[in-house]
Amino acid sequence: TAGITQAPTSQILAAGRSMTLRCTQDMRHNAMYWYRQDLGLGLRLIHYSNTAGTTGKGEVPDGYSVSRANTDDFPLTLASAVPSQTSVYFCASSVSTGIGSYNEQFFGPGTRLTVL
Amino acid sequence: QKEVEQDPGPLSVPEGAIVSLNCTYSNSAFQYFMWYRQYSRKGPELLMYTYSSGNKEDGRFTAQVDKSSKYISLFIRDSQPSDSATYLCAMSRDNYGQNFVFGPGTRLSVLP
Repeated sequence: TAGITQAPTSQILAAGRSMTLRCTQDMRHNAMYWYRQDLGLGLRLIHYSNTAGTTGKGEVPDGYSVSRANTDDFPLTLASAVPSQTSVYFCASSVSTGIGSYNEQFFGPGTRLTVL
Repeated sequence: QKEVEQDPGPLSVPEGAIVSLNCTYSNSAFQYFMWYRQYSRKGPELLMYTYSSGNKEDGRFTAQVDKSSKYISLFIRDSQPSDSATYLCAMSRDNYGQNFVFGPGTRLSVLP
């Protein structure tokens, strides 16, 4: 089972350009998340989706957008990249947000993005 | 003050040592406490999960929660070079994934 796949693995992007980071899961999880990880700051939530067709803003949503057209895919788009968006981006998924069962998040391998 | 604090390390120990990793937090509403392990250039993976206070043991790993002190710990017994990784604590007031708060991580090296 692949779990969560992310593409590309790494990317160098010129400032002002747009880019979409792809995330696909094959576990039929309802909830999906996008985090960025920066040294000393840990994982910070960008956007999330509790089910297909719905999305929500996390702690650091500015400059990013997401969509959730189906259960499996959750792309993250940078409309006009800036150097402060240089980071490692992780996609994650979990079974549900249901009360009563622990909501373990499974993470993808990450995308390393450098904006110059 | 950050909501979750964690000593970034790096922490270097000899093989076989007992390792203690810790996090402090400020939000008394947190009830779910987790430890993730992250190998270099990989995504985090869940190690331990504890609900509310108390201890939980899984093999060489023990997680402790002290809600009165707002302090959680992960102990690794008989540490191995394969335990070399960054350890992230995470916590939440509820079971909704979007409310998880992660610490910055402690980098651990276990030397053979």
